[in-house]
Amino acid sequence: DQQVKQNSPSLSVQEGRISILNCDYTNSMFDYFLWYKKYPAEGPTFLISISSIKDKNEDGRFTVFLNKSAKHLSLHIVPSQPGDSAVYFCAVPHDQGAQKLVFGQGTRLTINP
Amino acid sequence: EAQVTQNPRYLITVTGKKLTVTCSQNMNHEYMSWYRQDPGLGLRQIYYSMNVEVTDKGDVPEGYKVSRKEKRNFPLILESPSPNQTSLYFCASRQGAVYEQFFGPGTRLTVL
Repeated sequence: DQQVKQNSPSLSVQEGRISILNCDYTNSMFDYFLWYKKYPAEGPTFLISISSIKDKNEDGRFTVFLNKSAKHLSLHIVPSQPGDSAVYFCAVPHDQGAQKLVFGQGTRLTINP
Repeated sequence: EAQVTQNPRYLITVTGKKLTVTCSQNMNHEYMSWYRQDPGLGLRQIYYSMNVEVTDKGDVPEGYKVSRKEKRNFPLILESPSPNQTSLYFCASRQGAVYEQFFGPGTRLTVL
């Protein structure tokens, strides 16, 4: 069974600094990991993903790192901007083909000016 | 504009009164899914559908029904709502084997 944990419910970071959000999972059988971002009163939007054959994927200010031996994902945002204030969810497939996607509890990121 | 729409956005109802939350996507996606979001629990999958007339249970299907008669629509039905179904509900869709899902704006349901 797949379990996904984001152990930090909230994180506060100064504008311009690095934000690091963490995610741990239990079942490493599957090949794709995702991060979603959610603003209040909106649905989650896809942010960035990483394939299990990589240990890093970068998209502009956002970088996701995958440590398969530790079953750990992290999302780095550099530099952090006020518009990055949102709830971030990591998501991991529960099965091949990702018919079921298991989400973490979310981390509320606040960027302070 | 490519989008997933849900209706209603907000609903307050009473225990036992049947209700349907509609979901529609205009991207011709095969896969659709329903989630509920609760504080401290993240998003949990209720039901999903791989295509027309193909549906299956997610992690928390109890008390819910779905149907997929057309590719674009995937309504969520609560036959006899109870207060523990008070939650924020999201519909999502994606194309085939692409894992990234598009989410609707959410429906906030309160069952008194």
